[in-house]
Amino acid sequence: DTEVTQTPKHLVMGMTNKKSLKCEQHMGHRAMYWYKQKAKKPPELMFVYSYEKLSINESVPSRFSPECPNSSLLNLHLHALQPEDSALYLCASSQRTSGGSSSYEQYFGPGTRLTVT
Amino acid sequence: TQLLEQSPQFLSIQEGENLTVYCNSSSVFSSLQWYRQEPGEGPVLLVTVVTGGEVKKLKRLTFQFGDARKDSSLHITAAQPGDTGLYLCAGGGYSGGSNYKLTFGKGTLLTVNP
Repeated sequence: DTEVTQTPKHLVMGMTNKKSLKCEQHMGHRAMYWYKQKAKKPPELMFVYSYEKLSINESVPSRFSPECPNSSLLNLHLHALQPEDSALYLCASSQRTSGGSSSYEQYFGPGTRLTVT
Repeated sequence: TQLLEQSPQFLSIQEGENLTVYCNSSSVFSSLQWYRQEPGEGPVLLVTVVTGGEVKKLKRLTFQFGDARKDSSLHITAAQPGDTGLYLCAGGGYSGGSNYKLTFGKGTLLTVNP
């Protein structure tokens, strides 16, 4: 089973709203990722968690706040977003962020389509 | 910073034709992954190659990793409309110590017309 689930599938929010995106995997993976993807562009890495600790923040604005409550869950808290933040937000997981080649394979969820109005 | 140049960016072909997508870099990658993504969905992992010169086949898809692990290709034989999608290559490497990251190519948007 290589399933990563994400909720909600679609989200529309105003610029003053606070919302959260949720990601879950039950593959025993210890690395989880948030990516942002604009239409017809490749995913852009935002955050990496390794063993529930934030290991990479790609200079993401503070209006995006990640959280990893446990090894299976990853949240992305959103506050005071801008219309240009509208995009597909993808969660991914891998066994680890170091080790053998199979550790590197990232499995993506279906994404949350976010629209900021 | 590691960069992956992917070409072509757009490809529209007829059913039954063959095609090749290329990923090239001046950097060495420890592994290279190919994904296929359909509109509104997440990328789906097709294959991972790790050894220079490695060739892997997945039905009508053939993946090759260059000897120097700097480039890769995806060849599709007798393309079908179901092959339509965005194909992404992603090279793996370490960034700043032990943090492993994927560097994505810009993608190839493939349309196979019936």
